[in-house]
Amino acid sequence: EAGVTQFPSHSVIEKGQTVTLRCDPISGHDNLYWYRRVMGKEIKFLLHFVKESKQDESGMPNNRFLAERTGGTYSTLKVQPAELEDSGVYFCASSQEYPNTEAFFGQGTRLTVV
Amino acid sequence: QKEVEQDPGPLSVPEGAIVSLNCTYSNSAFQYFMWYRQYSRKGPELLMYTYSSGNKEDGRFTAQVDKSSKYISLFIRDSQPSDSATYLCAMSSFYTGANSKLTFGKGITLSVRP
Repeated sequence: EAGVTQFPSHSVIEKGQTVTLRCDPISGHDNLYWYRRVMGKEIKFLLHFVKESKQDESGMPNNRFLAERTGGTYSTLKVQPAELEDSGVYFCASSQEYPNTEAFFGQGTRLTVV
Repeated sequence: QKEVEQDPGPLSVPEGAIVSLNCTYSNSAFQYFMWYRQYSRKGPELLMYTYSSGNKEDGRFTAQVDKSSKYISLFIRDSQPSDSATYLCAMSSFYTGANSKLTFGKGITLSVRP
């Protein structure tokens, strides 16, 4: 069974540019989460989808971040325009409701804004 | 005050040692307590989870939760070089659905010397 897939694995962009991160969850997983780890800090929650609906977006830092999950399958996280402080590793995780609710993480996308 | 505190280490032990990793937390709403292991350039992988207070054992790993003290621990017996990784504690109010987002500690890097 394929795991959670994220791409790109690494992205380097200039300040002010736009970047789109993609996450393909495990097939059949209704829950999809985005997290971010800024250097030297803990992994922090960004938002949670249940199918195509946003269940909780309390962790989104500002309106430069836009997450979508059209059709309840893969998700994208767009940063526009990117700022230096957006640099970090962005993780996606997915889980099913029943019976096993363990969240499986992708390998992350390392974003560097220069 | 951070919701979850974890000594960032690093920690270096000889092979065969007993390792004790700990986290404290401040949010009384947390009911689910998890330990993740993360290898370099990989996503976090669930190692153990515990609901409410108590102990849970899985092979060489034992997780303990003391909700009265808001303190959780992970013990690794007979540590092996393959245990070398970053260990993150994480907590949530619910294991699925709303409020299932994870709040992480900073993680501690463990190195087991052959």
